[in-house]
Amino acid sequence: DAGVIQSPRHEVTEMGQEVTLRCKPISGHNSLFWYRQTMMRGLELLIYFNNNVPIDDSGMPEDRFSAKMPNASFSTLKIQPSEPRDSAVYFCASSLYRVGAQPQHFGDGTRLSIL
Amino acid sequence: QQPVQSPQAVILREGEDAVINCSSSKALYSVHWYRQKHGEAPVFLMILLKGGEQKGHEKISASFNEKKQQSSLYLTASQLSYSGTYFCGTEIGETSGSRLTFGEGTQLTVNP
Repeated sequence: DAGVIQSPRHEVTEMGQEVTLRCKPISGHNSLFWYRQTMMRGLELLIYFNNNVPIDDSGMPEDRFSAKMPNASFSTLKIQPSEPRDSAVYFCASSLYRVGAQPQHFGDGTRLSIL
Repeated sequence: QQPVQSPQAVILREGEDAVINCSSSKALYSVHWYRQKHGEAPVFLMILLKGGEQKGHEKISASFNEKKQQSSLYLTASQLSYSGTYFCGTEIGETSGSRLTFGEGTQLTVNP
């Protein structure tokens, strides 16, 4: 079975440019999570969706960040305008939302560098 | 509230044992354990629910002490492949469906 698929794997762009990260969750999973990982801040949750609805976006740093999940098989995380401090590895994870804790399955991540 | 992991780092020789702890100041519903190798994504190891259960996965097992709100990950007879950073993720509250908050990680190095 295919795991969580993220694209692009690497992104290098200049400050001020718009960046769009993409995620395809595991088929059948109805929870989707966006994380950011840096040396300074570790692995932090940005936003998560249950059944395509954003549940908690308290981790989104500021208005420059936005996330959408138009359907069960696709989500985007957009940064506009991008800044050097946004450089990080961004992970998407999915799980099956139901009674009882369920494991999250992570994609390979997008390594983002803002120059 | 971010859980606290200890130790921050540990170095072992192949075959030695290690314990990694994860503590929370909040009442937990579940504790998740993940391992991340350098340059790769975190990989799920196991989940423990409140109730003090213990789980095992080959030579890696874990426990959850609900009274202390603490989970421990036990690695026995460590192998070179166990090297990586171990994260605990905690879910607070009475039911599932809330966010996971990850600790800062414990870097484990297993040498020959």
